[in-house]
Amino acid sequence: AQKITQTQPGMFVQEKEAVTLDCTYDTSDQSYGLFWYKQPSSGEMIFLIYQGSYDEQNATEGRYSLNFQKARKSANLVISASQLGDSAMYFCAMREVEDYKLSFGAGTTVTVRA
Amino acid sequence: DSGVTQTPKHLITATGQRVTLRCSPRSGDLSVYWYQQSLDQGLQFLIQYYNGEERAKGNILERFSAQQFPDLHSELNLSSLELGDSALYFCASSVVTGGTDTQYFGPGTRLTVL
Repeated sequence: AQKITQTQPGMFVQEKEAVTLDCTYDTSDQSYGLFWYKQPSSGEMIFLIYQGSYDEQNATEGRYSLNFQKARKSANLVISASQLGDSAMYFCAMREVEDYKLSFGAGTTVTVRA
Repeated sequence: DSGVTQTPKHLITATGQRVTLRCSPRSGDLSVYWYQQSLDQGLQFLIQYYNGEERAKGNILERFSAQQFPDLHSELNLSSLELGDSALYFCASSVVTGGTDTQYFGPGTRLTVL
């Protein structure tokens, strides 16, 4: 079964606007971690933000914030004030407590328009 | 720059050949993970080493093997290569932040099998 679902294959956003990338996950664990990574066209994977399942506050990291809704099993990434350099593929990932690996979604391509 | 290094950056080889991909983790990180990213399979976990010992295994083919050396660098060996092995291979190393392992990825090795 798919553990991470990203339903938006591609999105366009205007420069300086905010964009929300959807991510839903499936786990029976109570303890898990959720991650977002950015992959620009150059190919590297860049860690953006982390949310722990027991964290009460939504994670924020600069222009990135994670809208964590535990009951709905969703962990959406919000990028505020989009910049041209935000154009990239974005991956949601989960690490379950007894698992060492990251399980990744299929990714969402974001294109920022000037 | 994540601090994880991978060599080579690109590798072009023929079917049936054997190649070795190398990874040096961030200073102080004991865990090394290998992932494969392909168009049809997405990002897939292959294997993890912790301080020289194999800790977790994903859907790694029998033709693939890995090891972690005393200086903590790791090598992924791919043999009897097939066209379908063409992919971007990532190494990641982890550090505990906020109570969880955050995996930082290297720049990847792009393998092309002709």
